[in-house]
Amino acid sequence: GNSVTQMEGPVTLSEEAFLTINCTYTATGYPSLFWYVQYPGEGLQLLLKATKADDKGSNKGFEATYRKETTSFHLEKGSVQVSDSAVYFCAPYTGRRALTFGSGTRLQVQP
Amino acid sequence: DVKVTQSSRYLVKRTGEKVFLECVQDMDHENMFWYRQDPGLGLRLIYFSYDVKMKEKGDIPEGYSVSREKKERFSLILESASTNQTSMYLCASSLYYQPGDSYNSPLHFGNGTRLTVT
Repeated sequence: GNSVTQMEGPVTLSEEAFLTINCTYTATGYPSLFWYVQYPGEGLQLLLKATKADDKGSNKGFEATYRKETTSFHLEKGSVQVSDSAVYFCAPYTGRRALTFGSGTRLQVQP
Repeated sequence: DVKVTQSSRYLVKRTGEKVFLECVQDMDHENMFWYRQDPGLGLRLIYFSYDVKMKEKGDIPEGYSVSREKKERFSLILESASTNQTSMYLCASSLYYQPGDSYNSPLHFGNGTRLTVT
């Protein structure tokens, strides 16, 4: 089955710092790749996605590139804000059963 | 906007009680899911359903059952609650599911039910 490895958190950054959250996965075939975000007290919501190799997903200043050769989908943002404080989940999907989520990475942005 | 509503935000139950967690979605989605979220373990799939009266076990179905009598409602049942079922439970829905397809429509999540079993 699918599995995901995300960097351990919490990741603590100052406002306007550069963010990278690493994600590597194992999956059969060619998965679609997703990043979900969970703000405090809420459920998860889709942040961005990429459905084939070399695709770049982007949303709200976040980006992630589907790297098939390294089976990675690292999340980046050039300048984080306090409002980006949340838990971020990486999830590959191969069309079998349901999404497999990583353990999540908590981001704390300080003013 | 899709709305996924979980009936309770917080729930406290005693060991051995039968517990029902209810989830309703308002966008005619075919697929519905129950996950539990625990610190350090992320989200783990309990059960999912891709049609009315259809259900499939996820990765950790033991101690749980589900019911989907109507398309919009997916219930998670703890037959006899135990303390190790204390957790955050998240319901989600999505528009379609095609086995073998490399793409699925995004999941829409409810805000979760935090269940404490004492």
